[in-house]
Amino acid sequence: NAGVTQTPKFRVLKTGQSMTLLCAQDMNHEYMYWYRQDPGMGLRLIHYSVGEGTTAKGEVPDGYNVSRLKKQNFLLGLESAAPSQTSVYFCASSRRQSSRANVLTFGAGSRLTVL
Amino acid sequence: AQKVTQAQTEISVVEKEDVTLDCVYETRDTTYYLFWYKQPPSGELVFLIRRNSFDEQNEISGRYSWNFQKSTSSFNFTITASQVVDSAVYFCALSEDDSWGKFQFGAGTQVVVTP
Repeated sequence: NAGVTQTPKFRVLKTGQSMTLLCAQDMNHEYMYWYRQDPGMGLRLIHYSVGEGTTAKGEVPDGYNVSRLKKQNFLLGLESAAPSQTSVYFCASSRRQSSRANVLTFGAGSRLTVL
Repeated sequence: AQKVTQAQTEISVVEKEDVTLDCVYETRDTTYYLFWYKQPPSGELVFLIRRNSFDEQNEISGRYSWNFQKSTSSFNFTITASQVVDSAVYFCALSEDDSWGKFQFGAGTQVVVTP
């Protein structure tokens, strides 16, 4: 069981370049999330999706776009990278929330540096 | 507004000492869920424990224990007889009942266990 897989694991971009981070999960989870982790700030939610074809903004969505064309995949795009987007990005997924909050399963992270 | 506060930035202990991590949260929901995650130096986020707001029973699981007190909005986590492998960043997180499974993370506490 792969769980949540993120690609690429590392990437260096120049300011203004674009790129896409791919997240794939094989657990048939309905919910998927993209977080960014910065020193001293914990993890902050960028965008999330509660099902195929649906996306919503999180706490820090500016400069990012997402798509969820297939249930198992959640893509995070940077159209014009900025140095402020240098961060570690984590994808997570969970089952649909019922009577109790479900545990988030995280990918291994993608370290992005924007020069 | 920050909903989860981890006031301790870093805690250093010698092996076999106990270490308690503080977490204070803020929510208006009557039903919510609290979590602790561990992030070792390898970078992945590992789920440790989950607690529901309607169950204040404190438990012990191996070397881990937690103290959930609704009256003070605190959800503290203790590692008993710490080991070097416990060295990691620990995150407290809150998920409210109507939040589509979204988590609010604290800034994290770095635990350093020296032999």
